Amino acid sequence: GDSVTQTEGQVALSEEDFLTIHCNYSASGYPALFWYVQYPGEGPQFLFRASRDKEKGSSRGFEATYDKGTTSFHLRKASVQESDSAVYYCALGNTNTGKLTFGDGTVLTVKP
Amino acid sequence: ETAVFQTPNYHVTQVGNEVSFNCKQTLGHDTMYWYKQDSKKLLKIMFSYNNKQLIVNETVPRRFSPQSSDKAHLNLRIKSVEPEDSAVYLCASSYPGTANSDYTFGSGTRLLVI
Repeated sequence: GDSVTQTEGQVALSEEDFLTIHCNYSASGYPALFWYVQYPGEGPQFLFRASRDKEKGSSRGFEATYDKGTTSFHLRKASVQESDSAVYYCALGNTNTGKLTFGDGTVLTVKP
Repeated sequence: ETAVFQTPNYHVTQVGNEVSFNCKQTLGHDTMYWYKQDSKKLLKIMFSYNNKQLIVNETVPRRFSPQSSDKAHLNLRIKSVEPEDSAVYLCASSYPGTANSDYTFGSGTRLLVI
C-alpha cells in the first residue's frame, strides 16, 4: 500500500538557518505529492503540491521537487523565521482513489 | 466565508459518556473526512464520506460512528468514551477521486476524557 516516510521527527533551528525536511514515499504509478503545515491550535493547511517527475512546488518561500527516481519530495527553505515554527506533513495522493496518506509529521522549532 | 467549521472547539467529559462533534463545510466539496490526531501529532483517518455514502472505514472501535445528513455535514459520535479517546479530532473535505485533490481541514475539536 501507499506510505510516506518523514525522516525527522523534530527539527530545531535558529532564524535565517537553512531548512531541509526529508520525505520519501512508496506508491505505484504517479501519485501527487503534497506538503501541509499545521500551526498551533489550527488544522493542517495545504502548502503546495507537485504531480509529475521533476515538477517543483513552492509557497511562502518553501519548495520541494518531485523526484521519481529517488521517490522523494524533500521540503526546503533557504532562511527560516520564528513564525515558521509548526508541524509539517508530507502527503501522497493515490492515483485511483484520491485518498491522501500522511507522513508522521515533523515538528519545526525556530529560535529567534 | 468558505471553509470547514467544527464545533465544539474543546470538550471535557468523563469515561463512559456519549459525545458528538459537528462539522460543516461551505466549499461545495463532495467528500468529507474525520481524522484523529494523537499527542504525537500522528494523523490517522477514521472515516470518509462521499455524498452521504461511507467509502472508507478504517479499523476504529465500534463506539465511533459518523453521521451525515447531506454532503456538507459530517458529524462524529462516540457512544461511550474511553481515556484513549483523548485527542484532537479533525474534519476535512475535498473533491473526490483525483490524486491532485487537496484537503481543507477545520481547526479541530480537542477531546479530554477524565
